Amino acid sequence: DQQVKQNSPSLSVQEGRISILNCDYTNSMFDYFLWYKKYPAEGPTFLISISSIKDKNEDGRFTVFLNKSAKHLSLHIVPSQPGDSAVYFCAASVGGSEKLVFGKGMKLTVNP
Amino acid sequence: GAGVSQTPSNKVTEKGKYVELRCDPISGHTALYWYRQSLGQGPEFLIYFQGTGAADDSGLPNDRFFAVRPEGSVSTLKIQRTERGDSAVYLCASSLDTKNIQYFGAGTRLSVL
Repeated sequence: DQQVKQNSPSLSVQEGRISILNCDYTNSMFDYFLWYKKYPAEGPTFLISISSIKDKNEDGRFTVFLNKSAKHLSLHIVPSQPGDSAVYFCAASVGGSEKLVFGKGMKLTVNP
Repeated sequence: GAGVSQTPSNKVTEKGKYVELRCDPISGHTALYWYRQSLGQGPEFLIYFQGTGAADDSGLPNDRFFAVRPEGSVSTLKIQRTERGDSAVYLCASSLDTKNIQYFGAGTRLSVL
């Protein structure tokens, strides 16, 4: 049973446009959410996080939005750059638990 | 310096053999985590250490899997009597303390033939 779902396996966008990556979760106990980026042959790299007490967190070109009632979060990348092409993982955890629960990932391709 | 270092980067073994996978965390990081990533899936939690002790090993799939961190730094994941289904990328992560961002190594790709 997937507690964190990334239903779209891939996304292709044009350089300079917005990329929107979506993530849904089923466990209402999750209170901390993260996005990781992964290049081939490398480990996942932390990108941005958000606590459940917030509905938005921004860091440069990256913004994460959290909709607790819908159990949905999204990552916006504006403007998208070819170097953003990677697999993006959504992850969540329950307060007091150190284990991250990951989605299956989504491959983003940004075309020049 | 360093990031999280995992060795070997690739390991090929035969069904039934014993393997050890090593993780060197970032210096000073007290928390260490092991995850397993199967093809087409996201990383799946196995175990985490706070210092030398395993604080949560609820993700270990069965008693063939064991991990140690005897001096609170380097950790070894040990798999006995390997099975083909154990084939995956084994990822290690560390963090400065619990509740902090986890930094991942590049992983060890284990192939059981």
